[in-house]
Amino acid sequence: DVKVTQSSRYLVKRTGEKVFLECVQDMDHENMFWYRQDPGLGLRLIYFSYDVKMKEKGDIPEGYSVSREKKERFSLILESASTNQTSMYLCASSLVGNTDTQYFGPGTRLTVL
Amino acid sequence: RKEVEQDPGPFNVPEGATVAFNCTYSNSASQSFFWYRQDCRKEPKLLMSVYSSGNEDGRFTAQLNRASQYISLLIRDSKLSDSATYLCVVSYSSASKIIFGSGTRLSIRP
Repeated sequence: DVKVTQSSRYLVKRTGEKVFLECVQDMDHENMFWYRQDPGLGLRLIYFSYDVKMKEKGDIPEGYSVSREKKERFSLILESASTNQTSMYLCASSLVGNTDTQYFGPGTRLTVL
Repeated sequence: RKEVEQDPGPFNVPEGATVAFNCTYSNSASQSFFWYRQDCRKEPKLLMSVYSSGNEDGRFTAQLNRASQYISLLIRDSKLSDSATYLCVVSYSSASKIIFGSGTRLSIRP
């Protein structure tokens, strides 16, 4: 079974803090994704990566950056957290050529005070 | 207008009933379609892909209507364990265009 893990289930940070969310997958998937999920808005793609050191912006990249130094790990960085970044963050991975079947991690509920 | 729209529900139906819901999409260039299921406080998981000819997986049937730009999910003989939020997903050839609907909440009552 594919396993996608995220570093924290719950996180509370203060406005202005730098926040790192880590995601690791164990199935040698090429593609990795970061989403946020908010009530009524569904999942929105922040960034994705199709290879090590490669990244592309999704629909809402503002205020976020990402890092993919190793194939299995994809990090989401909030350079200066703001209250409007309070959300559920979901990481996903998928195979090359099968980008649409995504396997999700359990999510990180981030609260920015 | 959202690119992918779903009725948020909730749909509240008795156990054993048949329930169906639709998802409409606005971009005719959409290429792939899926239904994901998300349980409360859990991550989404793929339920089934949606093929042009329609497809069935046990009690679940998915259909695609390209002319009217919608996909549907039919659940027969519903079980209590079917209670969840069902997410419609539409994607294009580029991985950057994967659009999730905001989900339809289904609640099955005994």
